[in-house]
Amino acid sequence: GAGVSQSPRYKVAKRGQDVALRCDPISGHVSLFWYQQALGQGPEFLTYFQNEAQLDKSGLPSDRFFAERPEGSVSTLKIQRTQQEDSAVYLCASSPGGGLYGYTFGSGTRLTVV
Amino acid sequence: AQKVTQAQTEISVVEKEDVTLDCVYETRDTTYYLFWYKQPPSGELVFLIRRNSFDEQNEISGRYSWNFQKSTSSFNFTITASQVVDSAVYFCALPFDQGGKLIFGQGTELSVKP
Repeated sequence: GAGVSQSPRYKVAKRGQDVALRCDPISGHVSLFWYQQALGQGPEFLTYFQNEAQLDKSGLPSDRFFAERPEGSVSTLKIQRTQQEDSAVYLCASSPGGGLYGYTFGSGTRLTVV
Repeated sequence: AQKVTQAQTEISVVEKEDVTLDCVYETRDTTYYLFWYKQPPSGELVFLIRRNSFDEQNEISGRYSWNFQKSTSSFNFTITASQVVDSAVYFCALPFDQGGKLIFGQGTELSVKP
């Protein structure tokens, strides 16, 4: 596609519910990143894929967070048993090479846990 | 440790004024990149510039210019003759490692009033 597409745009989840956030990167982009952005803060790194390989998941805040990119294109970020502190905007970005060349970001998914 | 500080939380100017957004960083690396991103109300982060630490020349792109000073670890961003469409949150960022994951500053919210 022309840009990075994320869905849903907004998600309201009841505490304890599982959610799945989807990211469709730019076609052919090798690198894919997930970031979490709390209100009024800068984005914080969650995890990084190069093709289907998850090379870095050091930013995932707990084992309730899980990300996959099984065919090296679309990625899904799953959050199990959501908590109120998970409320944030989840941003996906892709890059044709490594991230040092700069990314193209999607518009994000705003998750609200009630 | 890698760190980015944007001390200005909010700036408000009147259209056509010049405005400078400050960015101060700390890095353990001898060579590195620095980035600026713009986040308009729509939410997606828009890549503005990538600067290599080898290149300390100022860069100008239209109404935008960047002043990189390695001696003071600063990478400031100036908008000349600001316009209402420049209203956004601006983030400065530094790679955490060679994989490309970025450390973002807290952001500066710029409001340009007509």
